[in-house]
Amino acid sequence: NAGVTQTPKFQVLKTGQSMTLQCAQDMNHNSMYWYRQDPGMGLRLIYYSASEGTTDKGEVPNGYNVSRLNKREFSLRLESAAPSQTSVYFCASGGQNNQPQHFGDGTRLSIL
Amino acid sequence: RKEVEQDPGPFNVPEGATVAFNCTYSNSASQSFFWYRQDCRKEPKLLMSVYSSGNEDGRFTAQLNRASQYISLLIRDSKLSDSATYLCVVNKYGGSQGNLIFGKGTKLSVKP
Repeated sequence: NAGVTQTPKFQVLKTGQSMTLQCAQDMNHNSMYWYRQDPGMGLRLIYYSASEGTTDKGEVPNGYNVSRLNKREFSLRLESAAPSQTSVYFCASGGQNNQPQHFGDGTRLSIL
Repeated sequence: RKEVEQDPGPFNVPEGATVAFNCTYSNSASQSFFWYRQDCRKEPKLLMSVYSSGNEDGRFTAQLNRASQYISLLIRDSKLSDSATYLCVVNKYGGSQGNLIFGKGTKLSVKP
């Protein structure tokens, strides 16, 4: 069972570069989420998609864009990376109808 | 009041000890509650859901007090492998909306 799959697992970028983080789930969940986690800050929601075709801002959306490509896939794009975006990024799916969310194993992103 | 508040710890306990974590939440409309476990540099993983009547899974017992907006997790007979950060999680809006609020976590270290 793959669950939630994120790619890449690690990435180093230079300031100003762009990149897209990919996420796919095989659990037929309607909702998907992108979080970032920084030391001492806990998980912070960047964007979410309650269903295919919809996306909404979370707590820290600035500097990011998302695309819900289909029910399975939800990508996160950094258009012009900044050092402040150095973090661990987690994708999750699920959560509706009082169910838990399930996480991918994360992307560790460093921006120099 | 923070949306979800936990004692950050760390809790340093010997093997075999019983340890309890507490969590408070601010939204009285929240309907789903969870404890997640997060190992260092790994993704959060669901430990257990928390039900109004309280529930137990092996050495782990979770309790919910809706009147006080308080959740607890009790770990009996601690093992070295229980060392991790434990996240208290509450759904943000209540109802079927899947957004979750994650506490910053309580760190547990079990020593031989």
